[in-house]
Amino acid sequence: QSVLTQPPSVSGAPGQRVTISCTGSSSNIGAGYDVQWYQQLPGTAPKLLIFLNSNRPSGVPDRFSGSKSGTSASLTITGLQAEDEADYYCQSYDSSLSGVWVFGGGTKLTVL
Amino acid sequence: QITLKESGPTLVEPTQTLTLTCTFSGFSLKTIGVGVGWIRQPPGKALEWLALIYWNDDKAYSPSLKSRLTITKDTSRNQVVLRMTNMDPVDTATYYCAHSVGSGGDYWGQGTLVTVSS
Repeated sequence: QSVLTQPPSVSGAPGQRVTISCTGSSSNIGAGYDVQWYQQLPGTAPKLLIFLNSNRPSGVPDRFSGSKSGTSASLTITGLQAEDEADYYCQSYDSSLSGVWVFGGGTKLTVL
Repeated sequence: QITLKESGPTLVEPTQTLTLTCTFSGFSLKTIGVGVGWIRQPPGKALEWLALIYWNDDKAYSPSLKSRLTITKDTSRNQVVLRMTNMDPVDTATYYCAHSVGSGGDYWGQGTLVTVSS
């Protein structure tokens, strides 16, 4: 059972927009801690996609955007492409016994 | 550029102690604000954070695994070592190390698969 809750799967057709949610609690996202998003392509290590809620590292297309509100965060991908098919994980900090870094359970994005 | 690489045994027997080494380049663990974390991922499952060590030698551990984990650093060799005692088949996973300057890992190693089996 992950501390942060994500939908197990989402899907969309090429060109469409999809949003992945990440729900936390008052000890992590709701406490004001920042959210990161990672993309994990099949058989590879996770790659930082969004940091500090809404910032993109150099090289990440602006099709990827992040936001945070209350105890939740969201990753939005616009103009969906086949190469976006991957697992996506949210991550934050938790001030309770859950630990320092906490992850979501991951969301499998399927491009139809 | 920043790179990290995990190394260690690919197979350990139940009850043994696992020792993994993260060798990095492109940054120093003497720099204020820098940390290195360990994260694992069982086959087909989600990421799980294990431990984190900071430039000032502060350490943090996953509460559920704290009694089994030890993280140390060797700044002269640019290495971070994770020890996990009393290994069990459920600990079979790919183990990653990651560089951090804030709330998460911005650079990750390629990971190393550790199988626990007799």
